[in-house]
Amino acid sequence: SQKIEQNSEALNIQEGKTATLTCNYTNYSPAYLQWYRQDPGRGPVFLLLIRENEKEKRKERLKVTFDTTLKQSLFHITASQPADSATYLCALPRGGTYKYIFGTGTRLKVLA
Amino acid sequence: DAGVIQSPRHEVTEMGQEVTLRCKPISGHNSLFWYRQTMMRGLELLIYFNNNVPIDDSGMPEDRFSAKMPNASFSTLKIQPSEPRDSAVYFCASSLDSGERAQYFGPGTRLTVL
Repeated sequence: SQKIEQNSEALNIQEGKTATLTCNYTNYSPAYLQWYRQDPGRGPVFLLLIRENEKEKRKERLKVTFDTTLKQSLFHITASQPADSATYLCALPRGGTYKYIFGTGTRLKVLA
Repeated sequence: DAGVIQSPRHEVTEMGQEVTLRCKPISGHNSLFWYRQTMMRGLELLIYFNNNVPIDDSGMPEDRFSAKMPNASFSTLKIQPSEPRDSAVYFCASSLDSGERAQYFGPGTRLTVL
């Protein structure tokens, strides 16, 4: 069955360092992948989309990679700040539809 | 634009009661999604509408759940009768079927069934 895996354990890093979060998927060949940020008590907020023909995409301090051979996306936050502390979720469309499957998310804490 | 609007923000009800959750999507968006989020299961898609038509409701847990979208600016998710295991945060999201297809989520309704 189709499955998405994100590190379920929280990631703690020091302010100013680069945070790297992983999204692995199996039994999928998604045309694109999305990353969202969720703060406690709020709905997820869209951050980035990367398509299967794009190896890398950047937006300000964010960088996302998409390796369709490894079936993995990496999400990087450079020069991290305490305000980046949140849960980050990846999402993929299932089978060419708009039916999205979300990962369980990785909680990031940036320590001042 | 005010974003996706959901009401109520919190709902506490007793087992067996009917619960109705409401959503107003962003104007101009043609896709609407209802999700449920719990600690155990994460974010699960319940139903997806496109141009007000239900396209996929395979995520609806059972017949106690129903959803409608009578027009482009309003949708409801109804649970009748409610059960304690329905306790969760329910999110509505809307998107455009083009570009980055970003889903814009509402603030959610926290449902507690006693």
